[in-house]
Amino acid sequence: DVKVTQSSRYLVKRTGEKVFLECVQDMDHENMFWYRQDPGLGLRLIYFSYDVKMKEKGDIPEGYSVSREKKERFSLILESASTNQTSMYLCASSMGSMSETQYFGPGTRLLVL
Amino acid sequence: QKEVEQDPGPLSVPEGAIVSLNCTYSNSAFQYFMWYRQYSRKGPELLMYTYSSGNKEDGRFTAQVDKSSKYISLFIRDSQPSDSATYLCAMSAIGGGSNYKLTFGKGTLLTVNP
Repeated sequence: DVKVTQSSRYLVKRTGEKVFLECVQDMDHENMFWYRQDPGLGLRLIYFSYDVKMKEKGDIPEGYSVSREKKERFSLILESASTNQTSMYLCASSMGSMSETQYFGPGTRLLVL
Repeated sequence: QKEVEQDPGPLSVPEGAIVSLNCTYSNSAFQYFMWYRQYSRKGPELLMYTYSSGNKEDGRFTAQVDKSSKYISLFIRDSQPSDSATYLCAMSAIGGGSNYKLTFGKGTLLTVNP
């Protein structure tokens, strides 16, 4: 079974803090993704990576950056957290360049005060 | 027009009912179609996967794709309280820069009452 794990289930941070969200997958997947999920807005893609050290912006990259130094690990960084970044953050991975099926982690609920 | 439209519900049915969940889409390049189930406060999990048009059955679940109408459906037979969740449709095109990306519907919240 594919396993995608996220470093925290719940996180509370203050405005202006730098926040790191970590994601690890154990199936040697090429592609990794970061989404946020908000009521009424659905899943929105923040960034994705199709290889180590490669990244591409998704639909809402502003205020976020990412890092992929190893194939199995994809980090999302909030450089200076703001209250409008309070959300559920979901990491996903998929197999290869033509793979469509994404496998999700359990999510991190981030509250920015 | 949004690329993928999904009625958010909520949908409430009695146990044992047949449930029909639907999505419409506008991008004729979509070839891969998925349904994800998401329990409250959890990540989405893949439920069904279909390539191109046709039907696929897995136990109590049937996924249908009608590309001519740009319409996909998920049917749940003999629904159970454990089916209560949000159901997300997702789809993907092939070619160009969209190989890696899925386009999601916003999800339909389903409650199955005992």
